[in-house]
Order: sequence, then structure tokens, then C-alpha cells
Amino acid sequence: IAGITQAPTSQILAAGRRMTLRCTQDMRHNAMYWYRQDLGLGLRLIHYSNTAGTTGKGEVPDGYSVSRANTDDFPLTLASAVPSQTSVYFCASSPDKRAGELFFGEGSRLTVL
Amino acid sequence: AQSVTQLGSHVSVSEGALVLLRCNYSSSVPPYLFWYVQYPNQGLQLLLKYTSAATLVKGINGFEAEFKKSETSFHLTKPSAHMSDAAEYFCAVSAYYGGSQGNLIFGKGTKLSVKP
Repeated sequence: IAGITQAPTSQILAAGRRMTLRCTQDMRHNAMYWYRQDLGLGLRLIHYSNTAGTTGKGEVPDGYSVSRANTDDFPLTLASAVPSQTSVYFCASSPDKRAGELFFGEGSRLTVL
Repeated sequence: AQSVTQLGSHVSVSEGALVLLRCNYSSSVPPYLFWYVQYPNQGLQLLLKYTSAATLVKGINGFEAEFKKSETSFHLTKPSAHMSDAAEYFCAVSAYYGGSQGNLIFGKGTKLSVKP
């Protein structure tokens, strides 16, 4: 049982570089989400997608972009990384946007120097 | 708009003692409420959820939570702490009610330590 797979698990990146965090789910869930987790701030929503072909902005979208070409994949791209984007990133999915319950990946730890 | 507040960023209990993690919510509509647990270097796992059925909700690992509308609370309890309960716990409220996004809004988390 795979659920949600995130890659890479950890990455150190120079400021100004482009980086894509990958997220793949095998549960055929319609809705997918990207959160960042920072000490003392909990989890904050970056972007979301209610269904393939649609995306929306969350609480902290600046500096990030997403795409949802199909049901299974939801990559998160940092076009030009900055140190404030150092964080742990979690991808999550839900059967549909009304379901509430989210299923999480194991996270990607990103350090921007 | 929905929000949650977790009281206490860090709670420490002795093994065998009662665990009480506090969560208060704000919602203009009947909320769906959740507790998640995060073990070190892992993603979040659902402990339990309230979706307007029974007000006392039982979850995994002996945890339960009671929805109290009059107090706008959804506190998490466990009668007897075990060393394996040491983790960070997040309360969350569903952001969906006719809105465009169906994500969860999370509290800032409470780290539970269990002393032998």
C-alpha cells in the first residue's frame, strides 16, 4: 500500500535555483494539497487542487506554483528558491473536497542556503 | 471563517497519567473537526474525527475527543499515557462549506512528552 509518495525526502538547495517537489498518489483521490510545516506555525496551505485540471491558491502561495495534469500527480515548483522557503513540505489528498479527512505523505525536507 | 486554537505548545505527563490536549475552534457553521498525530520525521496520521454524529468520538490508540458546542471545544484525551504516545498532535477544522477549497485548517500543534 503506497498511498502518497513524495520525492525527494530531503534536499539542500542554493538560493535562486529552481526546484520541483514531486507528489504521486495511488488512491484515485480527486483533491490534493500542499502544506508547509514550520516550527511554531503548524501547517499552512500553499496550493490545492479539487480535481485534475484545476488548482487554487492557499494561505501562503507566493513563490510556489503547482500543476495537476492528471489525477495522480501534483508537483510543487519553487521557481527561484529563497531561504525563507526552508521548511518541511507535505503533500496530502482527499477523496473529494468535502470529505475533510486528509491522507499525508511522509514529507520533503527542503533547506535553501 | 474557521480556525482552531491549541492551548499549550508542549504538554508533559508521566507514563500512566491522563493525557488532555486542548483545542478550541471557531466556525460560523457546524464544523467537522479532526485530531492528527505526527511522530518524528513522519507525515500526519488521523487519530479521530467528528462529523456531526456522536459528540464523543473514539479514535485509534485509546484516544477519544468530545465535541462541546457550548464551549466550542474538541479536547483530546487518553486515560493512561504510554511512552509510545510521545508525538506532536494537531487539531484541525474543515474549511469546506460552499467554499472553493476543502482543505483542513490546522492548529499550531501540541508536543506531548511522556516521562517514565
